[in-house]
Amino acid sequence: GEDVEQSLFLSVREGDSSVINCTYTDSSSTYLYWYKQEPGAGLQLLTYIFSNMDMKQDQRLTVLLNKKDKHLSLRIADTQTGDSAIYFCAESSAQAGTALIFGKGTTLSVSS
Amino acid sequence: NAGVTQTPKFRVLKTGQSMTLLCAQDMNHEYMYWYRQDPGMGLRLIHYSVGEGTTAKGEVPDGYNVSRLKKQNFLLGLESAAPSQTSVYFCASSSMAEQFFGPGTRLTVL
Repeated sequence: GEDVEQSLFLSVREGDSSVINCTYTDSSSTYLYWYKQEPGAGLQLLTYIFSNMDMKQDQRLTVLLNKKDKHLSLRIADTQTGDSAIYFCAESSAQAGTALIFGKGTTLSVSS
Repeated sequence: NAGVTQTPKFRVLKTGQSMTLLCAQDMNHEYMYWYRQDPGMGLRLIHYSVGEGTTAKGEVPDGYNVSRLKKQNFLLGLESAAPSQTSVYFCASSSMAEQFFGPGTRLTVL
């Protein structure tokens, strides 16, 4: 079935780049997403990429998609303490409308 | 433009009680969803709707029912709450590409 895998933790120093990785299984997913969740809050859509693209850049965020390996990454440049949060990778489901299949989330910890 | 709103924000139930969670969106989206989030887990799909008057089961539908009588509202019902339903519930609505989430309802079943 459909599945999304992410590493659980990442720790970086302020000012460094962060790279969060994700693998997915459904090659028919139309879109792939990155969401951010701060403690006690809802999910904030950070960015998404159409499956026929290799890369998308949006200010400090760069998304890379390797469709052959079903690998998605999110790079945050100049990471700040305010970037500390849980980051979820998600793929669009082929079987449930446009519902999303989520990974378990990567906790990013940024130290000053 | 409020986006996606959920009521209530918090609720404590006793085992066997019933309740309804309300989700409302003002973006005229056709698709709406209910997810649950448990500690250390991503979100899992409970039920979804692809338009007014339609509903369908997601990954974890047991113990829940839903209704979509109006396009802007999607209701999630628990007929007889169980401790295993203690969770944070998120509603979402989407256009074709972007899915927007509500702030969540934190439910505890004792």
